[in-house]
Amino acid sequence: GAGVSQSPRYKVTKRGQDVALRCDPISGHVSLYWYRQALGQGPEFLTYFNYEAQQDKSGLPNDRFSAERPEGSISTLTIQRTEQRDSAMYRCATMAGMNSPLHFGNGTRLTVT
Amino acid sequence: GIQVEQSPPDLILQEGANSTLRCNFSDSVNNLQWFHQNPWGQLINLFYIPSGTKQNGRLSATTVATERYSLLYISSSQTTDSGVYFCAAFSNDYKLSFGAGTTVTVRA
Repeated sequence: GAGVSQSPRYKVTKRGQDVALRCDPISGHVSLYWYRQALGQGPEFLTYFNYEAQQDKSGLPNDRFSAERPEGSISTLTIQRTEQRDSAMYRCATMAGMNSPLHFGNGTRLTVT
Repeated sequence: GIQVEQSPPDLILQEGANSTLRCNFSDSVNNLQWFHQNPWGQLINLFYIPSGTKQNGRLSATTVATERYSLLYISSSQTTDSGVYFCAAFSNDYKLSFGAGTTVTVRA
C-alpha cells in the first residue's frame, strides 16, 4: 500500500486479556519502529527493527510487552495481561534507511477496561 | 536518547497571522523531523530537515545543526493549521525522540 497500515484502528479489551497490534510497513522500508502516545503527550519510543532483527527494545515498559517482525516486513506488538495503564495510542513508523524520514501509520487506539 | 525541547507550549493565532515554533536538541542529530498532529490524531510528516532550510507552501523550516536548534515558520495561518506540532530527532542511537509539542489554535 501507499502508507504504513495499522490494524485494528480501535481496540477495546478487558483487563487481563492479551492483545496483538499489527503494522504493515511501506513496501521496501528496512526499519520499523513502535511508539506509544498517551493523551496530551508526545510519542514515546518502544522498540525498533532493522529487517527482522530487533535492534533496541529499551523502551518496552515491562516484560508483558513484546514485538516481532519475523520476515522483515509485517510486525506485531503484543501486550499480555493488559492493564488499564496500557491504554494509549500505539503508533508504528517505518523508514527506508537511516538517512531518510520516518513515516507514521494512523495508529491503534487501545482502551483497557 | 537525545533530549528535545519545544517552545512555546501553546500558541493562539488569529487567521492570517505568522508564527515561529522552536525546537532545541541536546546533541548532534542524524535525523530531525517536524510533524503535525491533526485533530483526528494523524501524525503528518511536514519536514525531514537535519540541516538547512526547506519550504513547502506556507510552511518552512530551518535547522542550524551547529547550534542545536530548528525553527518551523507558519505564514498566513489558516484554521486548518490548528493542531499539535512535534519536533523529533535522533542521534547515533537511531531512537527518534519527540518533544512535548506546541499546540496551535488558529481562530477565524
